[in-house]
Amino acid sequence: NAGVTQTPKFQVLKTGQSMTLQCAQDMNHEYMSWYRQDPGMGLRLIHYSVGAGITDQGEVPNGYNVSRSTTEDFPLRLLSAAPSQTSVYFCASSPAGGPYNEQFFGPGTRLTVL
Amino acid sequence: EDKVVQSPLSLVVHEGDTVTLNCSYEVTNFRSLLWYKQEKKAPTFLFMLTSSGIEKKSGRLSSILDKKELFSILNITATQTGDSAVYLCAARGEGSNYKLTFGKGTLLTVNP
Repeated sequence: NAGVTQTPKFQVLKTGQSMTLQCAQDMNHEYMSWYRQDPGMGLRLIHYSVGAGITDQGEVPNGYNVSRSTTEDFPLRLLSAAPSQTSVYFCASSPAGGPYNEQFFGPGTRLTVL
Repeated sequence: EDKVVQSPLSLVVHEGDTVTLNCSYEVTNFRSLLWYKQEKKAPTFLFMLTSSGIEKKSGRLSSILDKKELFSILNITATQTGDSAVYLCAARGEGSNYKLTFGKGTLLTVNP
């Protein structure tokens, strides 16, 4: 049982480049989300999805796009990378988007934008 | 705007000490509060609290919620070096499909 997987583990980009961070889960979870974690800032929600075909913005969505074509996958796209997007990115999933579900986190992607 | 505040931000103790980590929250139509432990990688789940006054316990860790005063505490007794980590608190309200709002975390360092 792989749980939540993320690729790549590390990535270095130049300003203006685009890339996609991959996230997949094999637990048939409906709810998936992307967070970024910066020193001293805790985890901040970027985008989330309550099911295939449905996405919505979190508190820091600017500069990021998401799509959810399948239950398993929830990729995060950086359209034109900026140094301010240097961060550690975590994908998480839970069985549903209700109030009493634990979120399971992936191992994270450390992104540096030069 | 939903808000979670953790204190202290960092703490250094010696093995065997007991520590108390604090989490206060302001979320619309509160539903649950979660504690996670993060050791240089993904956060791992510790507890979920939904009712006041009912202690959740796992080994040397325990947590309790006070919905009247809007806070939770995480206690760790007889600390070990393996308890060194960032402890994250997150609260969930009814807004935005029950999204989690995280605090900034408490960095706990346990010295031998």
